[in-house]
Amino acid sequence: AQRVTQPEKLLSVFKGAPVELKCNYSYSGSPELFWYVQYSRQRLQLLLRHISRESIKGFTADLNKGETSFHLKKPFAQEEDSAMYYCALREIQGAQKLVFGQGTRLTINP
Amino acid sequence: DGGITQSPKYLFRKEGQNVTLSCEQNLNHDAMYWYRQDPGQGLRLIYYSQIVNDFQKGDIAEGYSVSREKKESFPLTVTSAQKNPTAFYLCASSIAGVSPEQYFGPGTRLTVT
Repeated sequence: AQRVTQPEKLLSVFKGAPVELKCNYSYSGSPELFWYVQYSRQRLQLLLRHISRESIKGFTADLNKGETSFHLKKPFAQEEDSAMYYCALREIQGAQKLVFGQGTRLTINP
Repeated sequence: DGGITQSPKYLFRKEGQNVTLSCEQNLNHDAMYWYRQDPGQGLRLIYYSQIVNDFQKGDIAEGYSVSREKKESFPLTVTSAQKNPTAFYLCASSIAGVSPEQYFGPGTRLTVT
């Protein structure tokens, strides 16, 4: 069964420090990986997806099939990055449903 | 104003009562989804629908029911059979096709006492 694991429920870093939110997955086929973010009092929204290979708000994430990971990174954290982050996986074949990780609450301290 | 709406924002019910949560979208999306969000457990899929008049169970469908009579609407009924119904419920929608982004509603917080 496919599964997404985010080992850190809470992560706290200082402004300007590097940030890495961990995500590991288990899936027998070729998955699509996403990061969703929920800022305070806002809706859950897509941050980035691995197939786009893009940087959004300074965040990047590389799919590492060997380590089955999709860690989210930002070299210099900003206070506005404080939010709840969810890693999600979708099968490339089959139903268009997502499997979400448990989420990591990121707090950026001034 | 386009988007996905859920109503009401807060809902209170007595144990043993069925309750229906509304989800409407005007994005012309084919697919719609219901998730349950609990602290420390992330989002878990309850039901999803990829086309009108068709829907499939997700990972935690027991005690829930849905209908998809219109493209725009995907109501979720929390029945009295759901053992732990108090939660935050999120509805989402997406286009059909490769790598569709899911757009989420604001959520409904249901409290059953």
